Amino acid sequence: NAGVTQTPKFQVLKTGQSMTLQCAQDMNHEYMSWYRQDPGMGLRLIHYSVGAGITDQGEVPNGYNVSRSTTEDFPLRLLSAAPSQTSVYFCASRTSGFGELFFGEGSRLTVL
Amino acid sequence: GENVEQHPSTLSVQEGDSAVIKCTYSDSASNYFPWYKQELGKRPQLIIDIRSNVGEKKDQRIAVTLNKTAKHFSLHITETQPEDSAVYFCAARGAGGTSYGKLTFGQGTILTVHP
Repeated sequence: NAGVTQTPKFQVLKTGQSMTLQCAQDMNHEYMSWYRQDPGMGLRLIHYSVGAGITDQGEVPNGYNVSRSTTEDFPLRLLSAAPSQTSVYFCASRTSGFGELFFGEGSRLTVL
Repeated sequence: GENVEQHPSTLSVQEGDSAVIKCTYSDSASNYFPWYKQELGKRPQLIIDIRSNVGEKKDQRIAVTLNKTAKHFSLHITETQPEDSAVYFCAARGAGGTSYGKLTFGQGTILTVHP
């Protein structure tokens, strides 16, 4: 059972480049989300989805797009990377209700 | 939306001592309060959680208390061990309006347990 799988683990971009962080889960979880983690600021919610075809914004959505075409996958797109998007990104999923939020291993992104 | 404040930001204790981390939340409708532990370079992992209809929950050396009236909850670790050293995050899940279902995290506490 792989759980939540994120790729890539590390990425370096130049300002203005675009990229997609991939996230897949094999637990049949309805809820999926993306967080970014910055020193001293905890984990901040970027976007989330409560099921295939449904997405919504979190606390810090600007500069990021998401889609949810299947239950398993929830990619995060950076359309035009900026240095302020240098961070560690975590994908997480859970069942509905009070289910535990399971995190992927994280993706460290550096934007030069 | 929900706002979660966590204190202290760093906590240093001697092995065997107790550690307490406190969090406050702003949305009185929040109904679920998990605590996550994150070791260096690893993903956050759930260590204990509590629902709004419960005042206290204990799991071996770890306990969480919730005061709904004051809108604060705390993590208590007894008989600390060096392997307890990590970053700890509290979180609150909204139950209404634009906060529904969203998990908002505190800023984190770096706990260091000295042998």
